[in-house]
Amino acid sequence: NAGVTQTPKFQVLKTGQSMTLQCAQDMNHEYMSWYRQDPGMGLRLIHYSVGAGITDQGEVPNGYNVSRSTTEDFPLRLLSAAPSQTSVYFCASSYSPGRDQETQYFGPGTRLLVL
Amino acid sequence: DAKTTQPTSMDCAEGRAANLPCNHSTISGNEYVYWYRQIHSQGPQYIIHGLKNNETNEMASLIITEDKKSSTLILPHATLRDTAVYYCIVRRRSNDYKLSFGAGTTVTVRA
Repeated sequence: NAGVTQTPKFQVLKTGQSMTLQCAQDMNHEYMSWYRQDPGMGLRLIHYSVGAGITDQGEVPNGYNVSRSTTEDFPLRLLSAAPSQTSVYFCASSYSPGRDQETQYFGPGTRLLVL
Repeated sequence: DAKTTQPTSMDCAEGRAANLPCNHSTISGNEYVYWYRQIHSQGPQYIIHGLKNNETNEMASLIITEDKKSSTLILPHATLRDTAVYYCIVRRRSNDYKLSFGAGTTVTVRA
């Protein structure tokens, strides 16, 4: 298994540009989520999905869109990048809570710089 | 979810046990204690979790006090590769997917 993969590893954007951060998992996990981590801080939840076709907002959703058309993929879209979105973005996946193996697995992260 | 309190940082000698405390005085009976760690620039990594009993796996041991108001993560033989930020997280498991990360404890293992 490749686990949770994220692309790109690093991206530089200009203010106002759009882009999509890719996340994929090959563990057949129902739950997927996106976090952002700013320097010296813990992770904050942006959006999450409990299954294909179902998404919901986390604690910092503004400026980001998500969709979940397949179990494997959960892309994060920045519609109009702002310097405040400069951060490291982590994708995570897990089985549904209540199952024995519901540990969350995190990807390696995407480092985004918005100028 | 219950709030957790962890020390900001701690040092540990290589080869010795590292004991990481966490206070969660408002925890309820159906909430679990989870520990994750984040090695520099990497995604967080699951370590261990427990409800009320002590737990042990190949990475660490988790000791939860009888009243559940605090817990201790024990890394039995710390190595330099254990240098990381360690997060103590309390959450319900039945219908709660979210992990609420605080600032964590920065653990530095010294040779």
